[in-house]
Amino acid sequence: GNSVTQMEGPVTLSEEAFLTINCTYTATGYPSLFWYVQYPGEGLQLLLKATKADDKGSNKGFEATYRKETTSFHLEKGSVQVSDSAVYFCALRDNYGQNFVFGPGTRLSVLP
Amino acid sequence: EAQVTQNPRYLITVTGKKLTVTCSQNMNHEYMSWYRQDPGLGLRQIYYSMNVEVTDKGDVPEGYKVSRKEKRNFPLILESPSPNQTSLYFCAIRTGAHNEQFFGPGTRLTVL
Repeated sequence: GNSVTQMEGPVTLSEEAFLTINCTYTATGYPSLFWYVQYPGEGLQLLLKATKADDKGSNKGFEATYRKETTSFHLEKGSVQVSDSAVYFCALRDNYGQNFVFGPGTRLSVLP
Repeated sequence: EAQVTQNPRYLITVTGKKLTVTCSQNMNHEYMSWYRQDPGLGLRQIYYSMNVEVTDKGDVPEGYKVSRKEKRNFPLILESPSPNQTSLYFCAIRTGAHNEQFFGPGTRLTVL
């Protein structure tokens, strides 16, 4: 079946550091890929998405590129802020559109 | 703008006492689903519904029931809650250009 693996963390960085959160997936066909963010005490919000190979999703300074050859969708940001502290979830939706599968989440803490 | 409302937001109950968590949406979306979020496990889908009177099991349906009598509401029912159902529950709809999930604010349930 489909699955998503991501580094579980926690990841602790200083403000303005470079961020990478790795995400790899297993799926048949051509899934769509997503990153969701969950701020403390809140629900999940869509951060960015990519629907086909080599697509780059970007939002709020975060980027991720859909790499079919390595089945990866790593999240990156060049300079993190304290306000980026949250839990980040990588997810895929299969190409039949029925099922979403989420990774376990990566907790990011950014220190001033 | 899409809105998903869950009630209650917080609930503490005892083993075996039936409870219902309500979910309602304001945009007539056909697809609705329930997830539970547990540390280290990410989000796991409990049930989903493609339309009125159409519901299907997700990955972890045991101990839960749902109904979809009208498009806007999708209640989650625990007939006989047990402590292993202590979790954070999210209702979601499918929206956007690529059918991404849009989540409600969450319901934190504790079963003693």
